[in-house]
Amino acid sequence: QVQLQESGPGLVKASETLSLTCSVSSDSIRDNYWSWIRKSAGRGLEWIGHIYSSGSTNYNPSLKSRVTMSVDTSKNQFSLNLTSVTAADTAIYYCARDDSGGYRYFDSWGQGTLVIVSS
Amino acid sequence: DIQMTQSPSSLSASVGDRVTITCRASQSISIWLAWYQQKPGKAPKLLIYKASTLESGVPSRFSGSGSGTEFTLTITSLQPDDFATYYCQQYNSFSTATFGQGTQVELK
Repeated sequence: QVQLQESGPGLVKASETLSLTCSVSSDSIRDNYWSWIRKSAGRGLEWIGHIYSSGSTNYNPSLKSRVTMSVDTSKNQFSLNLTSVTAADTAIYYCARDDSGGYRYFDSWGQGTLVIVSS
Repeated sequence: DIQMTQSPSSLSASVGDRVTITCRASQSISIWLAWYQQKPGKAPKLLIYKASTLESGVPSRFSGSGSGTEFTLTITSLQPDDFATYYCQQYNSFSTATFGQGTQVELK
């Protein structure tokens, strides 16, 4: 049973960069897509983007200008950077595994980490 | 983006009731729809994918149907563990994955 665990600061100042890491255990990060999804009071569940183990990415167009994802196969981890954050980026951030067949639904999720953007 | 609209936003039901939740897409998504269950403080849990395929380990009282723009999630006999919020999500390959706003199932 794959396990995912998000880590990173729970408080980020407005205009700065939000950085999170997802550690994957009991499964190899290779040969699969891995996503970041967030849930906020104002926007509900929102797919941020995903990254393949090769480093190939797809981002939500609404966030594309501010998002960068990376992968470290040696550590079985992938990461999210979101720049120029505002209060609207306050949310619970989840990492998740895409379906192994390449479809963009999510069969395993991390527990989520709350990130608050402060002014 | 394809917009997903769920109805109702919330419902009250009793143990043993049959519950149906509807999800409508703003354009056709064929059968590329998933359903999730989320409980407070927990991550969403995949229940159904490809509109009607039950994820391994999910009880058979859950079922999904539909295609195109209209989909339903049915719980045939509501159990105490089923009180939660349910989300639909489309994953049409030519579009950004998007979620419905959720349906909260509460105890009557």
